[in-house]
Amino acid sequence: NAGVTQTPKFQVLKTGQSMTLQCAQDMNHEYMSWYRQDPGMGLRLIHYSVGAGITDQGEVPNGYNVSRSTTEDFPLRLLSAAPSQTSVYFCASSRDSSTSYEQYFGPGTRLTVT
Amino acid sequence: ILNVEQSPQSLHVQEGDSTNFTCSFPSSNFYALHWYRWETAKSPEALFVMTLNGDEKKKGRISATLNTKEGYSYLYIKGSQPEDSATYLCALSAGTALIFGKGTTLSVSS
Repeated sequence: NAGVTQTPKFQVLKTGQSMTLQCAQDMNHEYMSWYRQDPGMGLRLIHYSVGAGITDQGEVPNGYNVSRSTTEDFPLRLLSAAPSQTSVYFCASSRDSSTSYEQYFGPGTRLTVT
Repeated sequence: ILNVEQSPQSLHVQEGDSTNFTCSFPSSNFYALHWYRWETAKSPEALFVMTLNGDEKKKGRISATLNTKEGYSYLYIKGSQPEDSATYLCALSAGTALIFGKGTTLSVSS
């Protein structure tokens, strides 16, 4: 049982490039979410999904797309990277869509946009 | 967007001291209140999830209380140890979104 996995661990992009951050969980969790962590800002919710085929926006969705074609995977796409997207990105999952259960976090992806 | 406030932002205590932090949140549309422990270079790990007014949870030397009517939760650490050094996050569940506070960073020196 690997829990929540994220790839890559580190990534450097040039402004304007696109990429996909991968997130997978093997716990059959319904709820998955993406957060970004910036100094002094805590964890901010980007997008979340309450089940396969269902996604919704969080606090800071601009510049990011998500999809949830399977229960296990929840990739985050950066369409045209900007320096403001330099951050550490965490994926999390939870067994229930109501967020009344604890979140399990992945190890994070550190992204730098130059 | 809901606002979750944590105080203090940081504190430094000596080994053996007991300490507590506060999480304040809007009391309307409450579903659950989460506490997480976040060590440097690691991922946040859940400590407690509380759903009912008056809930009290305990894990070892760490405990938490919840007052949904007035919109606050306290996290207590009894007899702090250096390994308790971490950032403690609270998060408010308002249905399908989980909104985090900015955290309280605790440093415990021996």
